Amino acid sequence: NAGVTQTPKFQVLKTGQSMTLQCAQDMNHNSMYWYRQDPGMGLRLIYYSASEGTTDKGEVPNGYNVSRLNKREFSLRLESAAPSQTSVYFCASRKGQGGGETQYFGPGTRLLVL
Amino acid sequence: TQLLEQSPQFLSIQEGENLTVYCNSSSVFSSLQWYRQEPGEGPVLLVTVVTGGEVKKLKRLTFQFGDARKDSSLHITAAQPGDTGLYLCAGITGNQFYFGTGTSLTVIP
Repeated sequence: NAGVTQTPKFQVLKTGQSMTLQCAQDMNHNSMYWYRQDPGMGLRLIYYSASEGTTDKGEVPNGYNVSRLNKREFSLRLESAAPSQTSVYFCASRKGQGGGETQYFGPGTRLLVL
Repeated sequence: TQLLEQSPQFLSIQEGENLTVYCNSSSVFSSLQWYRQEPGEGPVLLVTVVTGGEVKKLKRLTFQFGDARKDSSLHITAAQPGDTGLYLCAGITGNQFYFGTGTSLTVIP
């Protein structure tokens, strides 16, 4: 049981390049999330998907797009990377939408935009 | 933006000491969670508190949710080096999570 997996683990981009961060979960969870983590700012929600076929903006969606490809996979795309998008990106999932549901995180993708 | 402020931002203590971490907001949340994160890994859930005034204990860790459901605290008794890590609180509203700024704890043997 792998839980939440993310690829790649590390990536270096030049300003203006595009890339897609991949996330998959094998726990049959309905909800999936993308966060970015920056020093001194905690984790900030970029986008989330409450169920297959739906996506919603979080706190900091500008510069990103997402696709909920199926129940297992939720990808994050940077169309034109900027240095301000240098961060650690975490994908997470949880079974339902109840306040007490546990959220499971992947190991993160470390992105550097030059 | 529903910002949660954590204090202190950094904490370095000797093994065996007690400590308290605070998580404060001007917003009301339906529930609040505490996570611990090790370097190079994603956060791992420690506890969820749902009811205003609720207190939960997890071995040497005691979590409290404020009566107004705007703030929370984490108290660690007799800290051990294994408690070292980044502690994050997260307020939950609907399907959105709002994370705190984090408290980096180092417990020195």
